[in-house]
Amino acid sequence: ETGVTQTPRHLVMGMTNKKSLKCEQHLGHNAMYWYKQSAKKPLELMFVYNFKEQTENNSVPSRFSPECPNSSHLFLHLHTLQPEDSALYLCASSPGGPGNTIYFGEGSWLTVV
Amino acid sequence: GENVEQHPSTLSVQEGDSAVIKCTYSDSASNYFPWYKQELGKGPQLIIDIRSNVGEKKDQRIAVTLNKTAKHFSLHITETQPEDSAVYFCAASIGDYKLSFGAGTTVTVRA
Repeated sequence: ETGVTQTPRHLVMGMTNKKSLKCEQHLGHNAMYWYKQSAKKPLELMFVYNFKEQTENNSVPSRFSPECPNSSHLFLHLHTLQPEDSALYLCASSPGGPGNTIYFGEGSWLTVV
Repeated sequence: GENVEQHPSTLSVQEGDSAVIKCTYSDSASNYFPWYKQELGKGPQLIIDIRSNVGEKKDQRIAVTLNKTAKHFSLHITETQPEDSAVYFCAASIGDYKLSFGAGTTVTVRA
């Protein structure tokens, strides 16, 4: 139990579908993140939210749309994805502030067919 | 931005031996260096971290060393056990929210 819960753990979607990934953190943290993890590549930061405000969008295509309604919840809305978007999507949180430790969830495995 | 390189990409060790993973970073302003362990089917878990005002840190069988002059840091695992088999990631940040990760090292401990 990491304190960061992601659902669903596995998702298969067609290229024309619309789906959402959900993340909830129970750690009282102020910052939340989405990372993408593909095989043989470093973890890629996608989005950062600090106190519900988006502070980082790392040139992510618009077919990925994040939403952070409060400091405990983070969503990643998916639409018209491509097969190359298949990956493990990791949510993380941190207390916020310089050099804070990031805590990851277990991830959502996404397969785009 | 920060660039973190990690070596080796794979490491196989005999149970009981030591394992060493090395990382280099590009930005001399980086001041926070965590290490994560990722087991199959799970998310990365923090195992140890070090800040730039410290040269070495140890926690039981794992230790991390930092050489700011050379801009490299290393993870040392002693007396390896089968449960140490996993993918290990190093990371570096310049004190904001953005960790830059290495590509990972797959460690296999042979019984």
